[in-house]
Amino acid sequence: GENVEQHPSTLSVQEGDSAVIKCTYSDSASNYFPWYKQELGKGPQLIIDIRSNVGEKKDQRIAVTLNKTAKHFSLHITETQPEDSAVYFCAASGGKGNTPLVFGKGTRLSVIA
Amino acid sequence: ETGVTQTPRHLVMGMTNKKSLKCEQHLGHNAMYWYKQSAKKPLELMFVYSLEERVENNSVPSRFSPECPNSSHLFLHLHTLQPEDSALYLCASSQDRAGNEQFFGPGTRLTVL
Repeated sequence: GENVEQHPSTLSVQEGDSAVIKCTYSDSASNYFPWYKQELGKGPQLIIDIRSNVGEKKDQRIAVTLNKTAKHFSLHITETQPEDSAVYFCAASGGKGNTPLVFGKGTRLSVIA
Repeated sequence: ETGVTQTPRHLVMGMTNKKSLKCEQHLGHNAMYWYKQSAKKPLELMFVYSLEERVENNSVPSRFSPECPNSSHLFLHLHTLQPEDSALYLCASSQDRAGNEQFFGPGTRLTVL
């Protein structure tokens, strides 16, 4: 089945700097790659997603890139703000067997003012 | 608000108690999920229901018993739990089983004494 690896597990950046979180997946048939943000006391919320027919997607300060050949995808946050501090999860799905999302282990991002 | 509600938000129970967690989605989705979130395994899929049928059970101990009476409601019945079952239990829903965004509820923080 699908296996998703996420790095780093923790990340600290200065306010205004960029943050990059990387994930790799194992099932070449996977075709849907969302990113979730989880703030303290809340459930994960989708912030951006990408499908396998697209290489990059942007939404204001966040962007996701996908390299299907290498089977990795990344989340980029520019001009970070303290409210970006949270745990971020990547996930992959849509591979063989129509499996639901398989999540990475999460990255705790701290933006230091 | 994601359209997925969970009650209670916090629960403390002894090992001999029986309790139930409730999830309700107002999105018209056909698939619902239970996840366990702990420090050791950040997002561990427990059960998947599609059109009210259980389609996945990831080797979860029998002391956890799910119930899906209709497509909008999902329960997790708890009986004779162990302290290591203390965790955040998250419910999610999606349009169908695979390849689509999952919407998460806020979770129930469970403590087993």
